[in-house]
Amino acid sequence: SVLLYQKPNRDICQSGTSLKIQCVADSQVVSMFWYQQFQEQSLMLMATANEGSEATYESGFTKDKFPISRPNLTFSTLTVNNARPGDSSIYFCSSRPYYAEQFFGPGTRLTVL
Amino acid sequence: QQKVQQSPESLSVPEGGMASLNCTSSDRNFQYFWWYRQHSGEGPKALMSIFSDGDKKEGRFTAHLNKASLHVSLHIRDSQPSDSALYFCAVSDGNNNNAPRFGAGTKLSVKP
Repeated sequence: SVLLYQKPNRDICQSGTSLKIQCVADSQVVSMFWYQQFQEQSLMLMATANEGSEATYESGFTKDKFPISRPNLTFSTLTVNNARPGDSSIYFCSSRPYYAEQFFGPGTRLTVL
Repeated sequence: QQKVQQSPESLSVPEGGMASLNCTSSDRNFQYFWWYRQHSGEGPKALMSIFSDGDKKEGRFTAHLNKASLHVSLHIRDSQPSDSALYFCAVSDGNNNNAPRFGAGTKLSVKP
């Protein structure tokens, strides 16, 4: 298994600002995934981040708006640029050890005013 | 993104009752199924996986997979109030570097 920690737990920011969400794993993982979840709705895959390479983004998500860094096998950062009220949601980092279940961090609840 | 259909959207059962949830994959490349449960304020946690035709039982939870129709069901017997949560079906393509796709979820309420 893998434990994932996220910081901050929640954040409130003004429209037009940027914020960073950090994800740390307690062991090395090849791929980290970032998900967005609106209140009690589905988990939307935003991007896949592998160490040392550019993140791969899903349709509807761009690297200009949601740049992701993956400097090593235990760490990833998601940035939300030019935050808007429509970005208010919960952001989860996730990883999956070799062919095992997927593990999720506790989530970062973002509110954009 | 939505290759996974779940039903019903919400479900209410009495304590001690049986809850039945459904999931279908629309892409034959995605045929490895997982069930996840998410309690309010937490991240999702895996309940069980099923990759082969037939039933798989883990405690009060039984999953049934029909690979021909890519349909999986989850049955929760003797439902407890603590089972009240969002239940997601997730389907993967067998490539460990690819994230599974999640369905829209079923909200289960178990009434005492």
